[in-house]
Amino acid sequence: DTEVTQTPKHLVMGMTNKKSLKCEQHMGHRAMYWYKQKAKKPPELMFVYSYEKLSINESVPSRFSPECPNSSLLNLHLHALQPEDSALYLCASSQESYNEQFFGPGTRLTVL
Amino acid sequence: AQSVSQHNHHVILSEAASLELGCNYSYGGTVNLFWYVQYPGQHLQLLLKYFSGDPLVKGIKGFEAEFIKSKFSFNLRKPSVQWSDTAEYFCAVNWGYGGATNKLIFGTGTLLAVQP
Repeated sequence: DTEVTQTPKHLVMGMTNKKSLKCEQHMGHRAMYWYKQKAKKPPELMFVYSYEKLSINESVPSRFSPECPNSSLLNLHLHALQPEDSALYLCASSQESYNEQFFGPGTRLTVL
Repeated sequence: AQSVSQHNHHVILSEAASLELGCNYSYGGTVNLFWYVQYPGQHLQLLLKYFSGDPLVKGIKGFEAEFIKSKFSFNLRKPSVQWSDTAEYFCAVNWGYGGATNKLIFGTGTLLAVQP
């Protein structure tokens, strides 16, 4: 299994809602990542988990809250988002932090 | 600060033309180099990677890239493009051998449009 899966594919939420994005990999990778991608831009790193511990937070606002329940799963909890947070949210994983990353298809988030 | 630059933001080619996309990174040291491709409506896929060894690396779909250490460059090439190569191409670099704070830095991307 060489896939990274993400759910949901699309999400529309209001600014007062709480929702979660989910990511799963079964490749035994020890590093997992959340990125935000706006149209026609490169992915922007948000968070890195290495061996299930948060190792990098790229000064992301606290309305985004990551969680790594186990080595295969990564969640991103969303609360009180702003319309400018609308974007494609990508999850990725790699064997170690310096290896190639495998990306999921993303969750297209729209904040109304 | 570490950075990656891609000089061509938008490239338009006819089918069968040759392709070269430039990528430069900010400074040396031990680097791991990648090219990713994002086809319309699809997720980011790895085209090729360089960690060490032969500086000319071959990837999927006929792509290759050359690492030139003295020029801090990792340019992507394909001798003959097809319409199906229409996509956004991202160069990405990480420095060092990992560790908790190691991260991948992406270039700004090059949008390639191949006309039939």
